[in-house]
Amino acid sequence: DQQVKQNSPSLSVQEGRISILNCDYTNSMFDYFLWYKKYPAEGPTFLISISSIKDKNEDGRFTVFLNKSAKHLSLHIVPSQPGDSAVYFCAASAFEGSSNTGKLIFGQGTTLQVKP
Amino acid sequence: EAQVTQNPRYLITVTGKKLTVTCSQNMNHEYMSWYRQDPGLGLRQIYYSMNVEVTDKGDVPEGYKVSRKEKRNFPLILESPSPNQTSLYFCASKNRGNTEAFFGQGTRLTVV
Repeated sequence: DQQVKQNSPSLSVQEGRISILNCDYTNSMFDYFLWYKKYPAEGPTFLISISSIKDKNEDGRFTVFLNKSAKHLSLHIVPSQPGDSAVYFCAASAFEGSSNTGKLIFGQGTTLQVKP
Repeated sequence: EAQVTQNPRYLITVTGKKLTVTCSQNMNHEYMSWYRQDPGLGLRQIYYSMNVEVTDKGDVPEGYKVSRKEKRNFPLILESPSPNQTSLYFCASKNRGNTEAFFGQGTRLTVV
């Protein structure tokens, strides 16, 4: 049962335009969400995160939006650059008190291609 | 430099031949984990460790073993590899709670 889903395997956008990557989750206990970027032959690197007490977090060209009622989050990249071409994973975790493992559950990933 | 180091980066082996993939982190993180990445399935957790001598199964533990004798090291052991364990493996470490994980560069394993 996939608790975190990225239903678009790939996305192609033109340089300078907005890229919107989507992620849906099913577990209402998730309270922290992250986006990772992965280039070929490298490990995933942390991009941006958001706590469930917020609905938006911005870091430069990257903004993550969280809609708790819809169990949906999205990553906006504006403006998109060719160097943004990578696989993007969303991940979620649930705080479990003193025994919190901080386990991250990942989506399937979306391959973004930004065309010059 | 803060990092997670995996070795080897690439490995081709034969069915049944025991192998170990090493993982080491220099950030004094309590929590370490192993993931495998397969097409269309994203990153799935194999095993994790909350601290020294504390390990537990993730979502896909069958065919794997781990140990955590020291805080910095978390090796992944395949006692008898099979072709369905051909995959891209990542080690990660993090602090407890809602924080980001840091990943190694990956190990591409092929079992023939």
